[in-house]
Amino acid sequence: EVQLVESGGGLIQPGGSLRLSCAASGFTFSSFAMAWVRQAPGKGLEWVSAITGSGDASVYADSVKGRFAISRDNSKNTLYLQMNSLSAEDTALYYCAKRAAADRGHFDSWGQGTLVTVSS
Amino acid sequence: EIVMTQSPATLSVSPGERATLSCGASQSVNSNLAWYQQKPGQAPRLLIYGASTRATGIPARFSGSGSGTEFTLSISSLQSEDFAFYYCQQYYNWPLTFGGGTQVESK
Repeated sequence: EVQLVESGGGLIQPGGSLRLSCAASGFTFSSFAMAWVRQAPGKGLEWVSAITGSGDASVYADSVKGRFAISRDNSKNTLYLQMNSLSAEDTALYYCAKRAAADRGHFDSWGQGTLVTVSS
Repeated sequence: EIVMTQSPATLSVSPGERATLSCGASQSVNSNLAWYQQKPGQAPRLLIYGASTRATGIPARFSGSGSGTEFTLSISSLQSEDFAFYYCQQYYNWPLTFGGGTQVESK
């Protein structure tokens, strides 16, 4: 059974940094692209970033480009999201999601999310 | 950016009735379209991918259709557990984009 468990969220001041982690199990982690998707309180879903299974390519939404960095450690079956220069607009529940293939596809599994609150 | 537009924003349906949700894309996404269900306090769950293929474990009352720019999610006979938010998403091009969602509520 696929399991994705996010961690690392919390309350952070504007301008601060946070690193999210997503521990994966139940599948061959390196064979699948992964992504982060966020959901602001009471709002819809917003894709944030994605990375290929090998980790050799990543893509970002314009809203986070230059501030966020996605990475993965296939030896530890873990996905990361380094978030810098955080603002109130980044407040959201951040989901880790597994894509259906090594470099593309829909999201076939989701974690339960980790909440990031940016506030002074 | 491909803009995904869902309608209606809210759909009021009685249990046992059919629900039809629409999703439009600002440009063709071929069949690279997925539908997700989200209940309050829960993560999204994949229902449909490839515009019309049900994900593993999804009941047959859920069906997807369409290609190009117009897509539909149908729930043939609404059960109590189907009252939720539904999102469409295109994975044809970057950035990956979601529709604004349709809330299916009990009439």
